[in-house]
Amino acid sequence: DVKVTQSSRYLVKRTGEKVFLECVQDMDHENMFWYRQDPGLGLRLIYFSYDVKMKEKGDIPEGYSVSREKKERFSLILESASTNQTSMYLCASSPRGRGKTQYFGPGTRLLVL
Amino acid sequence: GEDVEQSLFLSVREGDSSVINCTYTDSSSTYLYWYKQEPGAGLQLLTYIFSNMDMKQDQRLTVLLNKKDKHLSLRIADTQTGDSAIYFCAEIRRNRDDKIIFGKGTRLHILP
Repeated sequence: DVKVTQSSRYLVKRTGEKVFLECVQDMDHENMFWYRQDPGLGLRLIYFSYDVKMKEKGDIPEGYSVSREKKERFSLILESASTNQTSMYLCASSPRGRGKTQYFGPGTRLLVL
Repeated sequence: GEDVEQSLFLSVREGDSSVINCTYTDSSSTYLYWYKQEPGAGLQLLTYIFSNMDMKQDQRLTVLLNKKDKHLSLRIADTQTGDSAIYFCAEIRRNRDDKIIFGKGTRLHILP
């Protein structure tokens, strides 16, 4: 079974803190994705990566950065957390190639106070 | 428009059939997906259909694709309380490589 894990299920941070969200997949997938999910807005793509050390902006990259130093790990970084970044963050991975299914982690619910 | 559209809520009585509808935008989309998200969990792939198919059936699930109208539906037969979840329609667009475009999700509520 494909497994995508995220470092925390729940996280509480203060405004201005630097926040790291970690995602690890164990299926040697080339592609990895970070989404945020908000009520009424569905899933929005923040960043994605097609390979190690490669990254591409998604639809809402502002306020975020990412790191992909190893194939299995994709980190999302909030340089200075703000209250409007309170959300559910979902990581996903997929093999390279069109139509390949994305496999999701359980999500990290982040609250920024 | 650019969005994958689906209604936000659906209520169905236990034992009845649920039909969740979706319209997508890119006639050249090659794969269309249904994902399920249970409370507090990530998304789980339920089923998918290739664009050259009209229908796909898998146990209680039936997917219908109308390419002319760019309309996708998911039918769940004999709906159970365990089917209560958010269902996301999604497509892969030809000009967006491996990225999947998701609808906003339909919350399915099961009435006793």
